[in-house]
Amino acid sequence: DQQVKQNSPSLSVQEGRISILNCDYTNSMFDYFLWYKKYPAEGPTFLISISSIKDKNEDGRFTVFLNKSAKHLSLHIVPSQPGDSAVYFCAASEVGGSARQLTFGSGTQLTVLP
Amino acid sequence: GAGVSQSPSNKVTEKGKDVELRCDPISGHTALYWYRQSLGQGLEFLIYFQGNSAPDKSGLPSDRFSAERTGGSVSTLTIQRTQQEDSAVYLCASRKSGLIAFFGQGTRLTVV
Repeated sequence: DQQVKQNSPSLSVQEGRISILNCDYTNSMFDYFLWYKKYPAEGPTFLISISSIKDKNEDGRFTVFLNKSAKHLSLHIVPSQPGDSAVYFCAASEVGGSARQLTFGSGTQLTVLP
Repeated sequence: GAGVSQSPSNKVTEKGKDVELRCDPISGHTALYWYRQSLGQGLEFLIYFQGNSAPDKSGLPSDRFSAERTGGSVSTLTIQRTQQEDSAVYLCASRKSGLIAFFGQGTRLTVV
């Protein structure tokens, strides 16, 4: 039973346009969310995060939106650049949980076309 | 070190053999995770260590898998009697007091 779902395995956008990557979760106990970016043959690198007390967090070209009622978060990249081409994973965690494991989605391959 | 270091970076082993994968976390990081990514799949949680607490082993897929963390630092993931379905990239991550985990580059395990 996937608690974190990324329903789009791939996404292609034109350079300069907006990329929107989506993530849904089912566990209402999740209260901290992260996005990671992964290039081939490398480990995932942290990109941006958001706490459940917020609905938006922005860092340069990257913005994460959280809709708690819909159990949905999205990552916006604008403007998209060819170097953004990578697999993007969303992850969720229970801050108050004893395990604090990160539960990951299956990833979305973003391709930014020049 | 500056980042999470994993060794070896690649490992090819014969079916039925045991393998050990090593993770050196970032110095001072108290939490350590192991994940694996099979071909075309997402990141699958395996095990989590936090300080001196008992590890969360809930993600280990079978009793052929085990992990230990010595001295609160280096961790070793051991897979006994490897099977072809164990082929994957095994990723280690560490975290300090915050909620952001930092990953190593992974070990690509191929069981032939």
